[in-house]
Amino acid sequence: EAGVAQSPRYKIIEKRQSVAFWCNPISGHATLYWYQQILGQGPKLLIQFQNNGVVDDSQLPKDRFSAERLKGVDSTLKIQPAKLEDSAVYLCASSFRKAVSYEQYFGPGTRLTVT
Amino acid sequence: RKEVEQDPGPFNVPEGATVAFNCTYSNSASQSFFWYRQDCRKEPKLLMSVYSSGNEDGRFTAQLNRASQYISLLIRDSKLSDSATYLCVVNGDYKLSFGAGTTVTVRA
Repeated sequence: EAGVAQSPRYKIIEKRQSVAFWCNPISGHATLYWYQQILGQGPKLLIQFQNNGVVDDSQLPKDRFSAERLKGVDSTLKIQPAKLEDSAVYLCASSFRKAVSYEQYFGPGTRLTVT
Repeated sequence: RKEVEQDPGPFNVPEGATVAFNCTYSNSASQSFFWYRQDCRKEPKLLMSVYSSGNEDGRFTAQLNRASQYISLLIRDSKLSDSATYLCVVNGDYKLSFGAGTTVTVRA
């Protein structure tokens, strides 16, 4: 079974530039999550989708971050404009159902460096 | 107060030793608890769920103490391959909250 795919794996940009990340979840997984993991910290949920609808985006900095999952499958996360403090690994995860008791499968992440 | 707090370690133990560490959580209404493992520069992977009665999976034992609001993980007969960061994960307000992780290093 193919895992969660993410691209790019690494990205270096200057502050105030824009960047986009892509995620393709495991086939059949209705729930998709984007997390931000800063070095030395645990992952922090940015947004959760159930199919193509947003379930939780309470921790998404909406002035600069946006995410979409238009067809209920793959998803993109965008940062515009980037700040130095956005340097982190952006992890995408998926699970079969919405309930948090279901295991989340993580992709390899995109390591973003903002200079 | 953070939702989930962990001793960051590192716990440096010899092969074959037993190592145990805890995680505390702030939301008394939390219902689901997990341990995830994260290798250096890799993604987190589910190690085990934690049930009210406690549970074992091979060399790993997880316990839940609702009264004191902590969960624990014990690793017996440590292997070199157990070296990783162990993330405590708690369901609070219907979303998962991750601790910052406890780093375990097993030495030969």
